[in-house]
Amino acid sequence: DSGVTQTPKHLITATGQRVTLRCSPRSGDLSVYWYQQSLDQGLQFLIQYYNGEERAKGNILERFSAQQFPDLHSELNLSSLELGDSALYFCASSVGQGESEQYFGPGTRLTVT
Amino acid sequence: DAKTTQPPSMDCAEGRAANLPCNHSTISGNEYVYWYRQIHSQGPQYIIHGLKNNETNEMASLIITEDRKSSTLILPHATLRDTAVYYCIAFRTGTASKLTFGTGTRLQVTL
Repeated sequence: DSGVTQTPKHLITATGQRVTLRCSPRSGDLSVYWYQQSLDQGLQFLIQYYNGEERAKGNILERFSAQQFPDLHSELNLSSLELGDSALYFCASSVGQGESEQYFGPGTRLTVT
Repeated sequence: DAKTTQPPSMDCAEGRAANLPCNHSTISGNEYVYWYRQIHSQGPQYIIHGLKNNETNEMASLIITEDRKSSTLILPHATLRDTAVYYCIAFRTGTASKLTFGTGTRLQVTL
């Protein structure tokens, strides 16, 4: 158990819909990262927040957005969903901003039908 | 961050040492070598990291060549639970904070 929690575990929705994935970092960690893992693209970094502010951006689509709240939990919002958005979405956390000793949650499996 | 190259798959008998190689010939002086693994579809798990010196923790040992162009992750007594995809990542702390995962090595531990 990494100490990072993600909800929901599974999500099935239709194309065109919008969903929100939630992540709670380990106690004391200020950074939250979001990654997407699909069969054809592998594990890809989406975005990082540190203490409420965006710190780094990866291959995140404009239809996707994220935020980190004052209690440090984070949400990833995915809108206008397409079949290709079906993937595992992982959240990770770390103590500081630029560390790669990141601790990953169990993931949310999103299926778009 | 430097590109890393790993064999796509390896087998290891249970109880034997698993030696997973990684090539990072273009690594720069301030880039660390990090290892993660992913068991089935679980979240990746941090294993170990190093800069120049060899490192050991309760999970594994990391051997980095003197020229730092390659490294080897050693699981001293592999068990079936070590079956996973292992990722070697070159990372410069303090700047980019994203982990760039390649395709990794799929380690299969067998009886």
